[in-house]
Amino acid sequence: DTGVSQDPRHKITKRGQNVTFRCDPISEHNRLYWYRQTLGQGPEFLTYFQNEAQLEKSRLLSDRFSAERPKGSFSTLEIQRTEQGDSAMYLCATKKTANTEAFFGQGTRLTVV
Amino acid sequence: GESVGLHLPTLSVQEGDNSIINCAYSNSASDYFIWYKQESGKGPQFIIDIRSNMDKRQGQRVTVLLNKTVKHLSLQIAATQPGDSAVYFCAESYGEGGSYIPTFGRGTSLIVHP
Repeated sequence: DTGVSQDPRHKITKRGQNVTFRCDPISEHNRLYWYRQTLGQGPEFLTYFQNEAQLEKSRLLSDRFSAERPKGSFSTLEIQRTEQGDSAMYLCATKKTANTEAFFGQGTRLTVV
Repeated sequence: GESVGLHLPTLSVQEGDNSIINCAYSNSASDYFIWYKQESGKGPQFIIDIRSNMDKRQGQRVTVLLNKTVKHLSLQIAATQPGDSAVYFCAESYGEGGSYIPTFGRGTSLIVHP
């Protein structure tokens, strides 16, 4: 257990529904990253925060994806109008400072049916 | 049609052998590198890191080598054990704007036979 907590661990949703995932970082970690991982691939970067500021969001996959970190602690990733192609593992990672290792949570496995 | 993405490079070894997993990175500006281990259904787990001012770093049973000239990293695992079976990823990052966003390749599947 790295100390990064993600909820839920698994989510099954119908196409067209909205879903929201939560990530709770290690408490002193001010950087928080969201990734998507599909089968047989490495994690694909989506967006990141330093404290409450979202510093990079151009790699979010479409305008259906959004993320927040309102108080600089936990973060949420929302996918609106889900599509079957959104089925994947969504991973959260946090860092204490910029150029140190990122610690990953166990991920949220999304299945869109 | 065939889904090429499902076929990870695979390294198959016997328990007790030494393993070497290779990684080619893409950005010559990258100056911080990490190896992660990922078991099925779990998030990546940090193994070891190295900065670009070093060419070798050792941990417990693991060694990372960095060759910046050819943009190549390797992870050496000594006396490989069945519990080492997993997918291994290298991640590169660089500090443009202070970002240091870890960028991952496809990974290598390590299978350790008892």
